[in-house]
Amino acid sequence: GQQVMQIPQYQHVQEGEDFTTYCNSSTTLSNIQWYKQRPGGHPVFLIQLVKSGEVKKQKRLTFQFGEAKKNSSLHITATQTTDVGTYFCAGGGTGNQFYFGTGTSLTVIP
Amino acid sequence: GAVVSQHPSRVICKSGTSVKIECRSLDFQATTMFWYRQFPKQSLMLMATSNEGSKATYEQGVEKDKFLINHASLTLSTLTVTSAHPEDSSFYICSATPDPANYGYTFGSGTRLTVV
Repeated sequence: GQQVMQIPQYQHVQEGEDFTTYCNSSTTLSNIQWYKQRPGGHPVFLIQLVKSGEVKKQKRLTFQFGEAKKNSSLHITATQTTDVGTYFCAGGGTGNQFYFGTGTSLTVIP
Repeated sequence: GAVVSQHPSRVICKSGTSVKIECRSLDFQATTMFWYRQFPKQSLMLMATSNEGSKATYEQGVEKDKFLINHASLTLSTLTVTSAHPEDSSFYICSATPDPANYGYTFGSGTRLTVV
């Protein structure tokens, strides 16, 4: 399968600080999705990006898809304790499969 | 909408036995479902693509005879872990979507398998 790497692996932030996770693929992606997984839970779909250079926002979350469609980022402004969890990007392959990135675990310190 | 149900949520079995995990799409039909495996504090590893009415497509390194997948209807896919060993202990999770072009994937709640 595809290699999809994410950095950082772990991030601790003070509540109110910003947070960014970066996703990089070894191959060009057809599209990219982002998911959030709370401890003990299952991944929950956040968003899908399809177009080169696309930027989408969901309240305090901003998602970007790189011009070459090989990288993506998720930025959270003014983190809250409810943002705690692991954020995964997932790159689209052929046949509708998605290959998950290595994930970034976010801890928000109150 | 787009609800995926997975059972059981937890199972403990003895080495050498087989365990069946069910994944159901409750409010949509899914010609394709995906099975993932997740180790603690790690990412989800795609194991196989389950195709309704045809053979599953396995990812490289996943044993077909070990992890049997059956997708007999448009709302049900099953994963059977055969002759389970302790190293098969993991979190298994399925996903599906009513429309891959416009919707993300909905995941089941996962199955925590422990082989003793």
